[in-house]
Amino acid sequence: SQQGEEDPQALSIQEGENATMNCSYKTSINNLQWYRQNSGRGLVHLILIRSNEREKHSGRLRVTLDTSKKSSSLLITASRAADTASYFCATEGTYKYIFGTGTRLKVLA
Amino acid sequence: GAVVSQHPSRVICKSGTSVKIECRSLDFQATTMFWYRQFPKKSLMLMATSNEGSKATYEQGVEKDKFLINHASLTLSTLTVTSAHPEDSSFYICSARGIRLYGYTFGSGTRLTVV
Repeated sequence: SQQGEEDPQALSIQEGENATMNCSYKTSINNLQWYRQNSGRGLVHLILIRSNEREKHSGRLRVTLDTSKKSSSLLITASRAADTASYFCATEGTYKYIFGTGTRLKVLA
Repeated sequence: GAVVSQHPSRVICKSGTSVKIECRSLDFQATTMFWYRQFPKKSLMLMATSNEGSKATYEQGVEKDKFLINHASLTLSTLTVTSAHPEDSSFYICSARGIRLYGYTFGSGTRLTVV
């Protein structure tokens, strides 16, 4: 399968805690993006990290990329109930994006 | 920023009929468009890649006669689900890449229900 793997598949935490999701992929990439999807909705772009970058921040989001291990992580700090959603990584290889399997995050108020 | 409009957002059709989904880039020219399919609580699976003016490239296992893709202009790609069956019910999302843009922009998706 071309798909990347994400873990955990599901994550349930209390409001205020941090949430960490991991993404592993199989081929060389140009960049990696993280998306959020609320149930039954479209994708919301969160952050893009290029293959020559190791870490990137955006608000409460922190993304790391380790190309030697072919893995990335998304950290959401001080989570809120509104962060409840599915989170996907997507890797751009040869002119197309391949999505990971996703992590379903539930933040309990 | 770059915007991709996908229409319709929801459609219900009868088995055996065909359904067309449109994906438009509103403020940029999309040289390449991608079509994804998503089953409930699953990830997005790339179905095909279409380049303006040429035939679409389908991923392994995707029936090209079932899912017709047309990319006739730099701002419009269409996906037609032909002779739809209940198992074609799914969430379909398009994305587009521009000539001078970095990255891809996604449409808001189309939920297809075949009854």
